Amino acid sequence: EPEVTQTPSHQVTQMGQEVILRCVPISNHLYFYWYRQILGQKVEFLVSFYNNEISEKSEIFDDQFSVERPDGSNFTLKIRSTKLEDSAMYFCASSGDRGAPQPQHFGDGTRLSIL
Amino acid sequence: AQKITQTQPGMFVQEKEAVTLDCTYDTSDQSYGLFWYKQPSSGEMIFLIYQGSYDEQNATEGRYSLNFQKARKSANLVISASQLGDSAMYFCAMREGPPSNTGKLIFGQGTTLQVKP
Repeated sequence: EPEVTQTPSHQVTQMGQEVILRCVPISNHLYFYWYRQILGQKVEFLVSFYNNEISEKSEIFDDQFSVERPDGSNFTLKIRSTKLEDSAMYFCASSGDRGAPQPQHFGDGTRLSIL
Repeated sequence: AQKITQTQPGMFVQEKEAVTLDCTYDTSDQSYGLFWYKQPSSGEMIFLIYQGSYDEQNATEGRYSLNFQKARKSANLVISASQLGDSAMYFCAMREGPPSNTGKLIFGQGTTLQVKP
């Protein structure tokens, strides 16, 4: 069964450094998302992306964050200058066409640890 | 405002028994979708089941069923014949808008389920 893949599975970064989290969504999906989950807390929406532009973003998704689909397969989340509070599990998700209930399929996540 | 509420932080169930995980929601939309995801200790998020607000029947997927009570705004997950592999965190989530909507999911706090042998 097709799946969303995320790399790396764990990223350790010094505070203030830039980090890029990578995702390969399911190949025929058109809608892409990033969520994060701080340890022990609920999953929070960051941003959605469709047709090469952001559809919606949350308050968390400030100027330090950006997303990009650099080619036909990858979808990336960049944090420009990481803070301690950015430590979390980051999930990429994708869903298919409109016209039918489409669950969002999640990747296994990238655990980001900021030192 | 809290849109998804899961009031059970932790639940225990004996293997082979059924268990109900509670979820209540709040929305002013007439059209919305409700989802349940499973998160094992390894961390991945696994989609389990979907219920649309206009669906007349309760959703079922194998051992999972959704007890949807629209007037009470509840969407409880029922797992029948629990297995040890069902031990995990379970999240209820909502997406506002029609079934074709591709908007964000709003998650509850989650319920940790432990299945006892």
